[in-house]
Amino acid sequence: DAMVIQNPRYQVTQFGKPVTLSCSQTLNHNVMYWYQQKSSQAPKLLFHYYDKDFNNEADTPDNFQSRRPNTSFCFLDIRSPGLGDAAMYLCATSRDRTGNQPQHFGDGTRLSIL
Amino acid sequence: RKEVEQDPGPFNVPEGATVAFNCTYSNSASQSFFWYRQDCRKEPKLLMSVYSSGNEDGRFTAQLNRASQYISLLIRDSKLSDSATYLCVVNRSFNQAGTALIFGKGTTLSVSS
Repeated sequence: DAMVIQNPRYQVTQFGKPVTLSCSQTLNHNVMYWYQQKSSQAPKLLFHYYDKDFNNEADTPDNFQSRRPNTSFCFLDIRSPGLGDAAMYLCATSRDRTGNQPQHFGDGTRLSIL
Repeated sequence: RKEVEQDPGPFNVPEGATVAFNCTYSNSASQSFFWYRQDCRKEPKLLMSVYSSGNEDGRFTAQLNRASQYISLLIRDSKLSDSATYLCVVNRSFNQAGTALIFGKGTTLSVSS
C-alpha cells in the first residue's frame, strides 16, 4: 500500500563518505521533494523536481545533489557527509506544484554519521 | 520574522480536554494552508486542509484569518492517540518554478489519562 517508499529506513555512513538515499513513488505525481529534518525542527526543503525540472533552495549546501532518472524515482546524494548532516531525510510527492495540493511523505531515512 | 511560526509547547492536557494551537505566517500571498501531524520519529501526515470559511473534521476544527495571517487548530475531546506534534504548513510562491510548502516547527501535544 505504501505509495512513497524510501530506502533504506536507517543509513549509517562515515564522515566524508558519499551516500545515496532513494525514493520511489507509485502515485505518478509530477513533483518530488527532498526535505531534511533535524530533531525538534521543522522539515527543511532542500530541493524539488517538477517533472525533470530541478529546483534548488537557495540555502541548500552544494554537498547535496539530486537525480530524478524517471517519474517514479528520485535520489539524494550527499557527496561528503559531515556530522551536521545527521538528520531524517524525507521524500515527498505532490500532484502539481500549485501548492494547493497536500504532499505525501515517505517514511523517511534516518542518516547517522560516524 | 520566520515564514511560519508556532508555539512549540509542549501542551500537556488530560483526556477529554479541548486544546487550541495557533500559527502565524508572514507571506500575505500564501493561498494554501494545512495542518500535518507527526508522530515521534515518523513522517508528517496530512491531518486536514484549512479553508477560508473554516472547516471541521470530527473533533478537529481549523480556522483561517487572512487579515491577521493566522491559522488555528482546535481539538475537542482529546484522546491519548492525539499525542503528537502538529505542524502548521503554508504554501509560498518562489520564482517561476511553482510553490513550496513551508513547515512550522510544530506544536507538541501530550494527552494523559
